[in-house]
Amino acid sequence: DAMVIQNPRYQVTQFGKPVTLSCSQTLNHNVMYWYQQKSSQAPKLLFHYYDKDFNNEADTPDNFQSRRPNTSFCFLDIRSPGLGDAAMYLCATTLGLAENEQFFGPGTRLTVL
Amino acid sequence: KNQVEQSPQSLIILEGKNCTLQCNYTVSPFSNLRWYKQDTGRGPVSLTIMTFSENTKSNGRYTATLDADTKQSSLHITASQLSDSASYICVPLKGGYNKLIFGAGTRLAVHP
Repeated sequence: DAMVIQNPRYQVTQFGKPVTLSCSQTLNHNVMYWYQQKSSQAPKLLFHYYDKDFNNEADTPDNFQSRRPNTSFCFLDIRSPGLGDAAMYLCATTLGLAENEQFFGPGTRLTVL
Repeated sequence: KNQVEQSPQSLIILEGKNCTLQCNYTVSPFSNLRWYKQDTGRGPVSLTIMTFSENTKSNGRYTATLDADTKQSSLHITASQLSDSASYICVPLKGGYNKLIFGAGTRLAVHP
């Protein structure tokens, strides 16, 4: 059974057109992460929620926003996608500290035309 | 400075052969180290998690070793299969730090 679900799996948007990526989890984990992964690179952490507390990475552009309406769901909003934002976006969850195992979703591949 | 260095960057082997992937890290204080397998276009999947007191850990045909003194880890794959073709990512975890530090990965291709 899928534990971390990401929708859609593939998303195509136009330059400057807002897009929202979705992540849901059935694990009841209190920490959720969003990563950006470009081709042949390591995942780069954008931000994470520890319960309701939002933690933004210092180098995450303002163009990226996130919402977590409840424990199960977390959204990544890209307000004005640029060509450089084309990437795989990974959602992950963990219980408590990151010393516990992180479970990753299958990712959403974003294409910007 | 990269806190995680993996080698080789890429590797091609024939089906049935063994291979070993290397990871050197400088993360401190050290909590644990994970190896993930990431298939193309998919999210990473955990293979092993090792604490500083563990020297070796196996998961089927995957065996990870850890030397916390020299800050080195390796992942050995035995009797490789075509389905082992993927990126293998080393992730040492910093103690008390709520984020993962990813290596760039080794891209493994297993050919028939």
